[in-house]
Amino acid sequence: DGGITQSPKYLFRKEGQNVTLSCEQNLNHDAMYWYRQDPGQGLRLIYYSQIVNDFQKGDIAEGYSVSREKKESFPLTVTSAQKNPTAFYLCASSMGRDRAFFGPGTRLTVL
Amino acid sequence: RKEVEQDPGPFNVPEGATVAFNCTYSNSASQSFFWYRQDCRKEPKLLMSVYSSGNEDGRFTAQLNRASQYISLLIRDSKLSDSATYLCVVHMNRDDKIIFGKGTRLHILP
Repeated sequence: DGGITQSPKYLFRKEGQNVTLSCEQNLNHDAMYWYRQDPGQGLRLIYYSQIVNDFQKGDIAEGYSVSREKKESFPLTVTSAQKNPTAFYLCASSMGRDRAFFGPGTRLTVL
Repeated sequence: RKEVEQDPGPFNVPEGATVAFNCTYSNSASQSFFWYRQDCRKEPKLLMSVYSSGNEDGRFTAQLNRASQYISLLIRDSKLSDSATYLCVVHMNRDDKIIFGKGTRLHILP
């Protein structure tokens, strides 16, 4: 099936540890996105990438890093510099100006 | 001014009623527009794209007003299953950013 996957679904980490969230798509989409959602809030853009080996900061990039070495993969690292990392993280992909497809999300809890 | 703004609600609407949401966007370079639906603790799912000529899908009608920079969503004959958060989404022309509104919460009451 074509789609976008994120793993794991739930992730627990100790404060001060870096953690990497996986996002893979087999839709052959050029653009990929990472969003963060806090309870009762909307989606805020962390990073996005329009093509391989290129990415741009979104509105809340501080404390996060990404890479785009392959078209199908866009991992997000939540670093220890992110002050409040507990949130729901959503990855999406799109082609051109078409609709975005979302992965099921990863719920990160930092203890 | 925020790039995409929505009334957060909640809208508490009796079953069978008609409800409408608006969403305003600030950047005239915005190219594509969508309404997504998000259920609690789930990822957003596309409800419908929004075209300048307006478009309808069953009980749902979406409109785009480029001159006034807003989009709207109308839900007729609302069902209990329509209870969700509705997200207004704008796809920018210039840099391919996809910007989400904060969402409007809808509760359909039996």
